[in-house]
Amino acid sequence: AQSVAQPEDQVNVAEGNPLTVKCTYSVSGNPYLFWYVQYPNRGLQFLLKYITGDNLVKGSYGFEAEFNKSQTSFHLKKPSALVSDSALYFCAVRDQAGTALIFGKGTTLSVSS
Amino acid sequence: GAVVSQHPSRVICKSGTSVKIECRSLDFQATTMFWYRQFPKQSLMLMATSNEGSKATYEQGVEKDKFLINHASLTLSTLTVTSAHPEDSSFYICSAHGGGGNEQFFGPGTRLTVL
Repeated sequence: AQSVAQPEDQVNVAEGNPLTVKCTYSVSGNPYLFWYVQYPNRGLQFLLKYITGDNLVKGSYGFEAEFNKSQTSFHLKKPSALVSDSALYFCAVRDQAGTALIFGKGTTLSVSS
Repeated sequence: GAVVSQHPSRVICKSGTSVKIECRSLDFQATTMFWYRQFPKQSLMLMATSNEGSKATYEQGVEKDKFLINHASLTLSTLTVTSAHPEDSSFYICSAHGGGGNEQFFGPGTRLTVL
């Protein structure tokens, strides 16, 4: 069975500092990995994905994530946080194209000015 | 990019009534649509997977007679919450997958409140 773990309920960071939101996964085959962001009472916005290729994936709004197969991780990073990055972040995985995404529980990112 | 809409965005209904939520892919054909449910400050839980022209596949613990899903065309899937009760109050989000791509596109969600 597929699963995703986001070990932190909340991450706090000061504006301008680097941020990391952690994600580890478990799938039986090759993973398709995604990060989404959700603002209050809104749907999900796609940030980035890893399907194959370079382990470092660059996405929207300056975010990037690194796929680490040995550690089964796909941590989300940004070199310099903005207050507007404050939101709920979800890591998701599936093991085949066209199947449903399995989501982590979410991590609330709070960026202070 | 591909756009998925949901209607209504917000609905309040009385206990015992039924509510229909529409999910539309506006600029692509969605061979598969997914319905998720999200409780406040919690993750998205997959409820069911629907493929155009066939019966939906429900996740364990989801009552198929209560949450009726119809995927009648390649651009429209509907979720009907029958005989709604206050515990059905939640944020319902659909997503759509078009053939050949790896990405799912999410609708903006529907906030259901059952009084």
